[in-house]
Amino acid sequence: GQSLEQPSEVTAVEGAIVQINCTYQTSGFYGLSWYQQHDGGAPTFLSYNALDGLEETGRFSSFLSRSDSYGYLLLQELQMKDSASYFCAVRNRNSGNTPLVFGKGTRLSVIA
Amino acid sequence: NAGVMQNPRHLVRRRGQEARLRCSPMKGHSHVYWYRQLPEEGLKFMVYLQKENIIDESGMPKERFSAEFPKEGPSILRIQQVVRGDSAAYFCASSETLHRGEQYFGPGTRLTVT
Repeated sequence: GQSLEQPSEVTAVEGAIVQINCTYQTSGFYGLSWYQQHDGGAPTFLSYNALDGLEETGRFSSFLSRSDSYGYLLLQELQMKDSASYFCAVRNRNSGNTPLVFGKGTRLSVIA
Repeated sequence: NAGVMQNPRHLVRRRGQEARLRCSPMKGHSHVYWYRQLPEEGLKFMVYLQKENIIDESGMPKERFSAEFPKEGPSILRIQQVVRGDSAAYFCASSETLHRGEQYFGPGTRLTVT
């Protein structure tokens, strides 16, 4: 099976940088995805890493190290609207057609 | 291009009734997924469908729950004889392909069982 670990809560100051880590255990691996979900809202796709390294999209970046089974989401120039839950998700190569497995999420609180 | 549509947004049912949740994927998407989310928890995969086929239902309870994605019309998640423990947010997502970890989610249906 698969399992993902991410911190349950993170608090950061407006304008700062925050890193949300995700470690995973899975037999076989396709890639690591990140989703954002505001309270009462739907999850929104942020990024996908299939290969090692850093992917940058505006203020958000995502990193993957396949050898360490580890990735992170980096949020820069934090804004109050970034307060949300962030989920990492993996798809297991050996699971055939099984879609994404999500972590339990990290609740980010941005404070003034 | 409309996003993933779900209805109803809120559904209240008494114990023992049936709940029907509908999902229309994004145009051009043939992969549909249903997830369940309890308050303060992550998304639990329930079922993955393509047109007229259930590909993976490993996350769906064997009893009372069923899903379909007919050739015409939306995907339906059906819960028979609902119990209080079925109260949750049910999200539908769709994707163009299976291979990338990119899915587009609908606004969800909040089911409350009284």
